[in-house]
Amino acid sequence: SAVISQKPSRDICQRGTSLTIQCQVDSQVTMMFWYRQQPGQSLTLIATANQGSEATYESGFVIDKFPISRPNLTFSTLTVSNMSPEDSSIYLCSVVMLGGDEKLFFGSGTQLSVL
Amino acid sequence: QKEVEQDPGPLSVPEGAIVSLNCTYSNSAFQYFMWYRQYSRKGPELLMYTYSSGNKEDGRFTAQVDKSSKYISLFIRDSQPSDSATYLCAMKEEGGSEKLVFGKGTKLTVNP
Repeated sequence: SAVISQKPSRDICQRGTSLTIQCQVDSQVTMMFWYRQQPGQSLTLIATANQGSEATYESGFVIDKFPISRPNLTFSTLTVSNMSPEDSSIYLCSVVMLGGDEKLFFGSGTQLSVL
Repeated sequence: QKEVEQDPGPLSVPEGAIVSLNCTYSNSAFQYFMWYRQYSRKGPELLMYTYSSGNKEDGRFTAQVDKSSKYISLFIRDSQPSDSATYLCAMKEEGGSEKLVFGKGTKLTVNP
């Protein structure tokens, strides 16, 4: 597996502001994803981060709310825009390693609380 | 009916007990089945990864897949307090999308 560094690990934000979460992997990956984990709910895929092009969003998630960048094979950011208390959740970066059997590995997550 | 159903528990057992965790699913196209362990304030950690039906054993952990019943299980033998965590099942179809579908997770506590 790889070392997947995600920061910040937690933050408390005010309503209407934006937060950018960074994900850095220590080796090359084929695919990077962003998930959301709300209390009592299943992990939900937000989008696939595509290198050098627009992310692919799942139903219910839009680019204006969750802009994603992936400038290279090992780094991606997720921005949670114009936050409301409903955005309070854990956000997780996940990757499939290059030559790695299609197994999905996760970062340690960002615990976001919106007041 | 949700694609993947998992009893959220909580489940509390004494140290040394055999733990059985289960998920059912409705999509017959699922071919890959995974179990993740998630400690509090940490990301999910891949524990077991199986393809199609059958058993897979890794130390104290055994994963079983019964595709005819659309039912998967994770058994933990000689459970330890360090096994206390939330266990998530996940699955995906063969080929195409890497998208995993997760259960809600079962919170397990092993009491010393």
